[in-house]
Amino acid sequence: GQNIDQPTEMTATEGAIVQINCTYQTSGFNGLFWYQQHAGEAPTFLSYNVLDGLEEKGRFSSFLSRSKGYSYLLLKELQMKDSASYLCAVMDSNYQLIWGAGTKLIIKP
Amino acid sequence: GAVVSQHPSRVICKSGTSVKIECRSLDFQATTMFWYRQFPKQSLMLMATSNEGSKATYEQGVEKDKFLINHASLTLSTLTVTSAHPEDSSFYICSARASGDTGELFFGEGSRLTVL
Repeated sequence: GQNIDQPTEMTATEGAIVQINCTYQTSGFNGLFWYQQHAGEAPTFLSYNVLDGLEEKGRFSSFLSRSKGYSYLLLKELQMKDSASYLCAVMDSNYQLIWGAGTKLIIKP
Repeated sequence: GAVVSQHPSRVICKSGTSVKIECRSLDFQATTMFWYRQFPKQSLMLMATSNEGSKATYEQGVEKDKFLINHASLTLSTLTVTSAHPEDSSFYICSARASGDTGELFFGEGSRLTVL
């Protein structure tokens, strides 16, 4: 079956760096997405990786290794507003998105 | 970026009534829209894929007669929860993909439905 795994919850300190991992097993691969979701709100797009390597966008970076079925989202210079759930999603061979359950990130002062 | 508007953001209704939720792509044409349901502390669950001018494709376990989806134009899809019951209370989110685009999805703001 298809499966996306990511940690349920992580805690980090304001100003620090945190890495959220995502491993996947899907029927085909057409890209991996990271979304941020604040409580009670819809997800917002953070990044898209389809080739191996690191994509950097400001304080956020996303890495992909297709051979390992692995990605991570790296958040630098953490701010309190970064407290949210981070969803990993993979687009399979049918261009359907398979969603992880999300990682709740708690930022402490 | 592209904008998807969802309305209403919150709705409270009595058990047995029907509720319609609208999803509009404001600045692009969306041939495909997706409807999700999200329970507290859980990931998005795809309910159905809505294609303009054709019947929606429902995921296994989702009742077609319960959750009516209409994608009448390239900018509007609607989800109607018929004869709502308290167990239908949830956060419903739509997303849209631009025509010919196999990449990024744009999400509506979500609609929180509470059935009394």
